[in-house]
Amino acid sequence: RKEVEQDPGPFNVPEGATVAFNCTYSNSASQSFFWYRQDCRKEPKLLMSVYSSGNEDGRFTAQLNRASQYISLLIRDSKLSDSATYLCVVNDNFNKFYFGSGTKLNVKP
Amino acid sequence: EPEVTQTPSHQVTQMGQEVILRCVPISNHLYFYWYRQILGQKVEFLVSFYNNEISEKSEIFDDQFSVERPDGSNFTLKIRSTKLEDSAMYFCASSDPQQPQQETQYFGPGTRLLVL
Repeated sequence: RKEVEQDPGPFNVPEGATVAFNCTYSNSASQSFFWYRQDCRKEPKLLMSVYSSGNEDGRFTAQLNRASQYISLLIRDSKLSDSATYLCVVNDNFNKFYFGSGTKLNVKP
Repeated sequence: EPEVTQTPSHQVTQMGQEVILRCVPISNHLYFYWYRQILGQKVEFLVSFYNNEISEKSEIFDDQFSVERPDGSNFTLKIRSTKLEDSAMYFCASSDPQQPQQETQYFGPGTRLLVL
């Protein structure tokens, strides 16, 4: 059983496109949710936390659907610098964090 | 901006040897974590640590692993008898003490361990 599942991609999109990623999680008791980005051979960096009401940060919008146990990330007006692997992260009830395998995004000129 | 640091950046060791990976978390953080990422695979949780004891650990974190906070700044991961399959990138992270389950984890740049 995978705690967190993501489509590995890659998603190849032109600059300026809108792209969406989904992630599903298995533990209905999970407490908090995050999107991280990871560049090749680098450490994960927090992109945004995901709140029940949904939240937006510039070109990025995150949504949480607890009933269906999925999280989404929408990137508008893609930039070349958005090319990275996007990691869905779920925290269960106990200070233990589960990472998805990541979705690779390639933004092309 | 405060950051998590890790040393060494790369470590090569012989199978069966002991290695110690070092981390300096952000100074006012009290929750610390170790993760590993085997090349081409996902980031895997190893252990979380709070108040000088292990808070949670995964199935991967067996008896060959141990963690320690030997002083006020360092947080170490020891692998007692390394195996080939321990070759991976090891990330340390820390988080704010007030809301560890909600708050951002800050990751260090990682130590790439190669076991020969």
